[in-house]
Amino acid sequence: GQNIDQPTEMTATEGAIVQINCTYQTSGFNGLFWYQQHAGEAPTFLSYNVLDGLEEKGRFSSFLSRSKGYSYLLLKELQMKDSASYLCAVRDGNYQLIWGAGTKLIIKP
Amino acid sequence: DSGVTQTPKHLITATGQRVTLRCSPRSGDLSVYWYQQSLDQGLQFLIQYYNGEERAKGNILERFSAQQFPDLHSELNLSSLELGDSALYFCASSLPGEGEDYEQYFGPGTRLTVT
Repeated sequence: GQNIDQPTEMTATEGAIVQINCTYQTSGFNGLFWYQQHAGEAPTFLSYNVLDGLEEKGRFSSFLSRSKGYSYLLLKELQMKDSASYLCAVRDGNYQLIWGAGTKLIIKP
Repeated sequence: DSGVTQTPKHLITATGQRVTLRCSPRSGDLSVYWYQQSLDQGLQFLIQYYNGEERAKGNILERFSAQQFPDLHSELNLSSLELGDSALYFCASSLPGEGEDYEQYFGPGTRLTVT
């Protein structure tokens, strides 16, 4: 079966750095997405990786290793507004998006 | 604002009833996706339409059905509602599907409460 694993919850301190990991096992691979979702709101797109390596976008970076079935989202200079759930999603060999359950990130002052 | 609209924003109904949720995709997007998200749960993919045709099916119950109309708006019909159907229902849209690496844009969701 297809599976995406993320930690359920993480806590970090304002101003610090946090890394949210995502491991996946899918039938084929055509890209990995990270979305941010604040409670009760719609998910919003953060980043996309299809080749191995690091993609940087301001305070957020995303890394992919296809051989290891592994990705992480790195958030720097954490702000209180970064408190949200972070969803990892993989596009499989049939171009269908498989979603992880999300990681709830709690930022403390 | 993602450009995807959903109506209604909130819906309260009784068990056994039937409701219709509506979604208008971003201008030019041909693919529409429906998701269910129960309280503190992950997104559950229900169904995808592409240019009026069903493209993929996820964990959609037989009591649920959807369609995409010629103007590309989509409706999700939920019937014989049960308490467990209470959830946020999201619609998302994206540009043409297969082979394209486009992200999905989500509407604000419809919060359904079944009492």
